[in-house]
Amino acid sequence: AQTVTQSQPEMSVQEAETVTLSCTYDTSESDYYLFWYKQPPSRQMILVIRQEAYKQQNATENRFSVNFQKAAKSFSLKISDSQLGDAAMYFCAQIIQGAQKLVFGQGTRLTINP
Amino acid sequence: GAVVSQHPSWVICKSGTSVKIECRSLDFQATTMFWYRQFPKQSLMLMATSNEGSKATYEQGVEKDKFLINHASLTLSTLTVTSAHPEDSSFYICSARQNRGGAINSPLHFGNGTRLTVT
Repeated sequence: AQTVTQSQPEMSVQEAETVTLSCTYDTSESDYYLFWYKQPPSRQMILVIRQEAYKQQNATENRFSVNFQKAAKSFSLKISDSQLGDAAMYFCAQIIQGAQKLVFGQGTRLTINP
Repeated sequence: GAVVSQHPSWVICKSGTSVKIECRSLDFQATTMFWYRQFPKQSLMLMATSNEGSKATYEQGVEKDKFLINHASLTLSTLTVTSAHPEDSSFYICSARQNRGGAINSPLHFGNGTRLTVT
C-alpha cells in the first residue's frame, strides 16, 4: 500500500516567522520520490520542492526546506520568513518506482497572519 | 516551462448529459497522463492513469464506464463523464508526465483544472 498522511488540517503563522508542516508516508519500497505541492485559491498545483529517497541530504529551495527522516518515514516542510503569498493548501505527495502514480496526502491549509 | 492546458475551465451541464474534458500537453510529449478528482477542501484523489495508445488503468472504486478516458495521442487525453449526475459535481485535474523514458522522476505538470457542476 502507498499512503501519505498529513495530520495538520490547518496551520497558521505570523508573517516573517517560520512554520513547519508535517507529513508521514508508508511504503515498503526503497525507490521513491517525495514532493510538496502548493495549491493557492486559483487551484493550480505548484511544485514547491522534491526529495529523492536515495539522497540523504535534505532538499532546499530558497525559503523552503525539508526534513527527510527516511527511517521514520517522515517528510516535513519548513517555510522560513513566511510571506502572505505563501497562504495556500499544501499537499505532501509520493511516487514510487513501479507504481508510477503520484499519491497525495490530505492537505494542510496554511494561513499567514499579517 | 512545460505547459498543460485543460479545457474547459468550468462547465455546467444538466443531469443525464455527458461532458468531455480535454487535457493537452502544449510543448512536450506525454506518454502518461493522470486524472484526479478533488472535492471541496479535500485532497486530490487519483481516478485513473492514462497511457497513450492503450486502455486507461482505473483506481479502485472508479467506474470506468462512467468516466471514459481516451489517450489517442502523445499530447491529448480526454475524460468524458457520461450520464452525469449532481454527485459528479467536482473539480477535475489532469497531469502529464514529460516523456523521459517514463522514469518516475520525470517532471509532472498539472492542468488548471475543470470545475464541473451538474444540475
